[in-house]
Amino acid sequence: DTAVSQTPKYLVTQMGNDKSIKCEQNLGHDTMYWYKQDSKKFLKIMFSYNNKELIINETVPNRFSPKSPDKAHLNLHINSLELGDSAVYFCASSQGTYYGYTFGSGTRLTVV
Amino acid sequence: DQQVKQNSPSLSVQEGRISILNCDYTNSMFDYFLWYKKYPAEGPTFLISISSIKDKNEDGRFTVFLNKSAKHLSLHIVPSQPGDSAVYFCAARTTSGTYKYIFGTGTRLKVLA
Repeated sequence: DTAVSQTPKYLVTQMGNDKSIKCEQNLGHDTMYWYKQDSKKFLKIMFSYNNKELIINETVPNRFSPKSPDKAHLNLHINSLELGDSAVYFCASSQGTYYGYTFGSGTRLTVV
Repeated sequence: DQQVKQNSPSLSVQEGRISILNCDYTNSMFDYFLWYKKYPAEGPTFLISISSIKDKNEDGRFTVFLNKSAKHLSLHIVPSQPGDSAVYFCAARTTSGTYKYIFGTGTRLKVLA
């Protein structure tokens, strides 16, 4: 019974396309996140939602739009994909921030 | 500007010996630190944490040490086991604005049988 699940696990798409990555958590956590791990292995926060409300929005192109229909789901939609968007995207959730995050297994996005 | 640095990209240790993973940070406002472990094709999993008001936290084979004056964090694994082979990330919580964690780039640990 996966705590934080992301779909799809792999995504290969052409430049210019629009794609979505879905994330769901069954832990009852109130906060969800999207992180990006680039080719240099930096794990950088992109967005954070607390109870469906956006609380962190790092410097991310506005082609990236998170959507949280409820506190158990946080989806990431990316418009007009570019080569530089190729990375592994991790969804995570937490209840507060003292206990760390529970991460999903990641979505490897490859833009060709 | 990378505020959390793990300067050793990789480390190899014999089974049964001690593994020491290091992490340096630049922001004195960080108040909470975490270590994560990551296996290939999986998300990072939380390992151990330490508050900035402490200098040591222990959980089984894992001990985290914090030296605030040096802005240095280390994770000790004793004894190391082959199953510990993974990438280890340290993360620091910033208190300016909304709480969030800033991650280091990770250290790949290989425990040799």
